[in-house]
Amino acid sequence: AQTVTQSQPEMSVQEAETVTLSCTYDTSESDYYLFWYKQPPSRQMILVIRQEAYKQQNATENRFSVNFQKAAKSFSLKISDSQLGDAAMYFCAYRSATGGTSYGKLTFGQGTILTVHP
Amino acid sequence: NAGVTQTPKFQVLKTGQSMTLQCAQDMNHNSMYWYRQDPGMGLRLIYYSASEGTTDKGEVPNGYNVSRLNKREFSLRLESAAPSQTSVYFCASIRRDRGYNEQFFGPGTRLTVL
Repeated sequence: AQTVTQSQPEMSVQEAETVTLSCTYDTSESDYYLFWYKQPPSRQMILVIRQEAYKQQNATENRFSVNFQKAAKSFSLKISDSQLGDAAMYFCAYRSATGGTSYGKLTFGQGTILTVHP
Repeated sequence: NAGVTQTPKFQVLKTGQSMTLQCAQDMNHNSMYWYRQDPGMGLRLIYYSASEGTTDKGEVPNGYNVSRLNKREFSLRLESAAPSQTSVYFCASIRRDRGYNEQFFGPGTRLTVL
């Protein structure tokens, strides 16, 4: 079974600064996806960024980028130029890329609460 | 498109009461999922339905039952609610297809069992 671990229950950052959220995972599969989800106080789950395991290039989405280290099974999220609206709970998640009945099942980390100070 | 909808948004139950959480999607997705979110534990899969007519247990199925009523709807039933089932419940859906497909989440149901 796959596991996802986020070891930082809480993080804080000053507005306009950069912060990195950590995530490690364990799997025996070679083909999978990794995700970062944002959950603001509204509870809505918002997909921030995804990484395909077969791609060596790190994914980027505007101010959000990842550092994907496949051998180390590490997947961190960097938020640049932090904004007040970035304050939320962030979840790291794993999904197998293979088919079958388990298609689409997500395994989540424990979450990291990000506070942004003005 | 409404996406994934869940009813109710909030519910308070007494121990031993039963209730059904409803989920519907209008994106013609094949697979649907129920997760629960607890503090410090992230989201955990309760049950899922890979396609219409099939359901399977996830990581934490005890105390729950599900019904895939049709392609659009996937309900979660608590037959005899317990305080340990106090949680936020999310429904999600995805299209089963080649390549990457995004999973969409409902807005969640906050359930309190007294």
